[in-house]
Amino acid sequence: GDSVTQMEGPVTLSEEAFLTINCTYTATGYPSLFWYVQYPGEGLQLLLKATKADDKGSNKGFEATYRKETTSFHLEKGSVQVSDSAVYFCAFISSGGSYIPTFGRGTSLIVHP
Amino acid sequence: DTEVTQTPKHLVMGMTNKKSLKCEQHMGHRAMYWYKQKAKKPPELMFVYSYEKLSINESVPSRFSPECPNSSLLNLHLHALQPEDSALYLCASSLLPTSAYEQYFGPGTRLTVT
Repeated sequence: GDSVTQMEGPVTLSEEAFLTINCTYTATGYPSLFWYVQYPGEGLQLLLKATKADDKGSNKGFEATYRKETTSFHLEKGSVQVSDSAVYFCAFISSGGSYIPTFGRGTSLIVHP
Repeated sequence: DTEVTQTPKHLVMGMTNKKSLKCEQHMGHRAMYWYKQKAKKPPELMFVYSYEKLSINESVPSRFSPECPNSSLLNLHLHALQPEDSALYLCASSLLPTSAYEQYFGPGTRLTVT
């Protein structure tokens, strides 16, 4: 069935370090892919998205590329800040069926000064 | 503007109380959703309203009763809840109920059942 696999956290980094959070998916059809971020005590915010193969989503210095051949959508940022500390959820919506997103487990990121 | 608002932000209720959660969006979205989120877990879908009609109920207990009075407003009525219902309740909306449109989430209501 449809599923998202995210790397287990927490991911702990120092400020200005490079960030990668891995995400792979199993989906029918050609899904749209998303990263959501949840800051402590808040709801989910859409961070970026990609709707077709080789698309690159980007926002606030974060990037992710839709890799159909490896069914992956890894999140990257070149230089993290303390304010990036949050939980990051990878998700997709399948193209041919339900319009309800399938979420990964979430990866907690902790950035130290 | 991609804002979904939710009230109240926090709610504490006893097991015999009746309370309601409110969600509002003014983006012209025609699909609205209720999710439940436990700590350190992804959101779990509860209900979906599509063009103001209930289209999905994920086998949610009847002590949760959703209502969509109009295209901008979504309520979740709570009655006789259990302590295990304590969670963050998130509302979301999308332009249309199709796979082409992403969901936008509100800030959530933190519910504690005592």
